[in-house]
This record gives sequence, C-alpha cells and structure tokens, in this order.
Amino acid sequence: QVQLQESGPGLVKPSQTLSLTCTVSGGSISSGGYYWSWIRQHPGKGLEWIGYIYYSGSTYYNPSLKSRVTISVDTSKNQFSLKLSSVTAADTAVYYCARRYRAQYFDYWGQGTLVTVSS
Amino acid sequence: EIVMTQSPATLSVSPGERATLSCRASQSVSSNLAWYQQKPGQAPRLLIYGASTRATGIPARFSGSGSGTEFTLTISSLQSEDFAVYYCQQYNNWPQYTFGQGTKLEIK
Repeated sequence: QVQLQESGPGLVKPSQTLSLTCTVSGGSISSGGYYWSWIRQHPGKGLEWIGYIYYSGSTYYNPSLKSRVTISVDTSKNQFSLKLSSVTAADTAVYYCARRYRAQYFDYWGQGTLVTVSS
Repeated sequence: EIVMTQSPATLSVSPGERATLSCRASQSVSSNLAWYQQKPGQAPRLLIYGASTRATGIPARFSGSGSGTEFTLTISSLQSEDFAVYYCQQYNNWPQYTFGQGTKLEIK
C-alpha cells in the first residue's frame, strides 16, 4: 500500500519561501508511469493543482503559479519537494502531495499539511 | 483551460435516498473524468475514474456515468458516511488538469 506523508514548517513569513517535502513509502518513486504532485486547498475552498514531477525530473506547473514554484525529486530518499517563493497570505492553504496515475487521476494522497503565511 | 462546473453547490438528501451530483465540462473531456470524496479534515479519496469505473474498495452504491461534457455521480442509497464534499476532475487536457468547485452533500 503506497503512503505519502507531507512534512515542513506550518508557519511561513510573508515574502519568504514555503518548502515542503513528501515522503513516499510502500512503493518506489522511480516506478514509471506515475506523476508526483502537489495540490493545495485554501480554507473552505476547492482544490488547486500546483504542479507535478516525473521521477526523471520532468516538471509541469500550474501557469498561475509557475513563476514561483519549483518541484524537485530525490529518488535516493524516495521523496519529492515543493518550493513556493515570495509567499503572501493568499498562499495560506492545506498542501497535499499525491500520486497521479499515468497522468490521469490521483489515486493516493497524503493527509495534507496546513501552511499559514503570517508575520 | 477546461472549466469544470458542478451542480448543485449543496445537495440535501435523507439517508437511504438516492443522490445525483452533476459535473459539466466547458469542452469535451471524453471519458477522462474522476470523482473524489472529501470528508472534513481528510484528504480527498478517489471514487471513480474513467467516468464510470469504481476505484478499489469503493462500494457498489457509487456509480458514475457520462462522457463528453456531461457527467453524473450517483449514490444509490445514502449511508451516514457518504455525507461529504464531492469533486470532479478532468484529465483529458494534458498537462493541465482541473477540478470542479465541489458539491457538498448534506443530511436532510
């Protein structure tokens, strides 16, 4: 059973960089056919995709966030990471990591982590 | 960008009754549509993919239908644990994929 777990600071100051890591267990991140994704959910709102990465390092970002987002992968640690720069209060959200099956649907999700942007 | 519109925003149904949730795409997504269930404080859970295929472990009371631009999620006999928010997601438009805004299914 694949499991994903987000980790990182729950509080980030405005203008700083939000950094989160997702650790994958129960399966290899290097397995072909899966895209490792970040999705966020503003309080009381719907789901917004941030971007995703293939184990080879190929990335795809939401155009609305592209200038501020970097997603990377560390296959040796079975982890992938999110960096979102120049954050504002509008970036306060629950951040989920998820596995996207063959560029289609999301079949496994982390539990999510709340990140608050505040001074 | 393909816009996914779900209706209604909130649906009130009594336990044991049938619930029908709708999702409309702004352009055809073929059958490349998934449904998710999200309970408070939890991550979304995959229910349906390919518009009509139940994910592993999903009870038979959940069914999906539709293709092109019109999709439906039906819950045949609502159980207490089914009251949640439901999202549709299209994955036809590589590399962008979009979610609907959600339908909250509440107890009547």
